[in-house]
Amino acid sequence: EPEVTQTPSHQVTQMGQEVILRCVPISNHLYFYWYRQILGQKVEFLVSFYNNEISEKSEIFDDQFSVERPDGSNFTLKIRSTKLEDSAMYFCASSKDRGGTDTQYFGPGTRLTVL
Amino acid sequence: EDKVVQSPLSLVVHEGDTVTLNCSYEVTNFRSLLWYKQEKKAPTFLFMLTSSGIEKKSGRLSSILDKKELFSILNITATQTGDSAIYLCAVGANFGNEKLTFGTGTRLTIIP
Repeated sequence: EPEVTQTPSHQVTQMGQEVILRCVPISNHLYFYWYRQILGQKVEFLVSFYNNEISEKSEIFDDQFSVERPDGSNFTLKIRSTKLEDSAMYFCASSKDRGGTDTQYFGPGTRLTVL
Repeated sequence: EDKVVQSPLSLVVHEGDTVTLNCSYEVTNFRSLLWYKQEKKAPTFLFMLTSSGIEKKSGRLSSILDKKELFSILNITATQTGDSAIYLCAVGANFGNEKLTFGTGTRLTIIP
């Protein structure tokens, strides 16, 4: 069964460093998302992406964050200058149709630890 | 602001028991409600509900939506230890809103 994959599973970085989290969405899906879950808290929406542009973003997704689909399969989240509070599990998700109308399937997540 | 509230926050039952998990929501332009199971990492999809009163069923799990009273329930019958997980409720909206809004989840523990 097709699934969303993410790499790495765990990333440790120093505060102020740039990180890139990678995702391979399900191949026939057109809508892509990033969510994060700080330990013990709710899953929170960061950004959605369709047709090579951001379609929606939350207030968390500030200028430090960017997303890209560099080729036909990968979808990346870049954090330019990490802060301690960026430590969280980051989930990538994808769906065939737009988010409110279709199921979003989640990847296994990347645990980001900022020291 | 969209809101999703799940109850109880935590539930401990014995294997074989039946459990009911609750999810209430306040969402502008509601379109869908989804249930996910989160064991160690990724939320795995269980059900998507869009219409009131139609039960969705998968094995021992079932779910129903009430769009008038703005809530959904997830039932698990004859629970097994493998059902131990956090169960997440999320709501999607219409009109260009792509995001899912999640509740805090219900942590279900099944004691053998």
